[in-house]
Amino acid sequence: AQSVAQPEDQVNVAEGNPLTVKCTYSVSGNPYLFWYVQYPNRGLQFLLKYITGDNLVKGSYGFEAEFNKSQTSFHLKKPSALVSDSALYFCAVHTGGTSYGKLTFGQGTILTVHP
Amino acid sequence: DSGVTQTPKHLITATGQRVTLRCSPRSGDLSVYWYQQSLDQGLQFLIQYYNGEERAKGNILERFSAQQFPDLHSELNLSSLELGDSALYFCASSVGAAPYEQYFGPGTRLTVT
Repeated sequence: AQSVAQPEDQVNVAEGNPLTVKCTYSVSGNPYLFWYVQYPNRGLQFLLKYITGDNLVKGSYGFEAEFNKSQTSFHLKKPSALVSDSALYFCAVHTGGTSYGKLTFGQGTILTVHP
Repeated sequence: DSGVTQTPKHLITATGQRVTLRCSPRSGDLSVYWYQQSLDQGLQFLIQYYNGEERAKGNILERFSAQQFPDLHSELNLSSLELGDSALYFCASSVGAAPYEQYFGPGTRLTVT
């Protein structure tokens, strides 16, 4: 079965420092991977996705993610964290075919950026 | 604002009752997805519709049903409600079925008492 795992329930980082939120995946075939962010009492917002091509994917709000096939990882990164980046982050993998599908989410990682 | 709207925002009801959650997708999106978010289960996919047809089913209980109408809005019906059905229910939409990014609505918070 296709799945993603986020090994850290919580990540704490100081403002201005680089941040990494980890995600590993287990899929058969080519993975379609996504990152979403959820702010309190809000829906999920799409950040970025990897379908194919360049292993470094750039997304919204200065976030990027690195796809690593040999390590089956898709870690989310940002060079300089902001307090406003504090939120719940979800990694997800698309499973299904070209005409149907769903997102299977990791359990989420709470990112806290301290001033 | 994702462009996906959901009503109502909050719903409080008693066990055994039936409720209907409504979702309007982004303009032009043909695919609608329903997800349930709870503390113990996390984010779980329930069901997907594409242009009016059911396309994928996840961990959706038999007490739950959904449909997508010709104008592409969707409704999720939850019946014989139990305390454990209390959760945040999200609707999402995408242009096609896969592997396009999904845009999520603000959710409906259901509380069953």
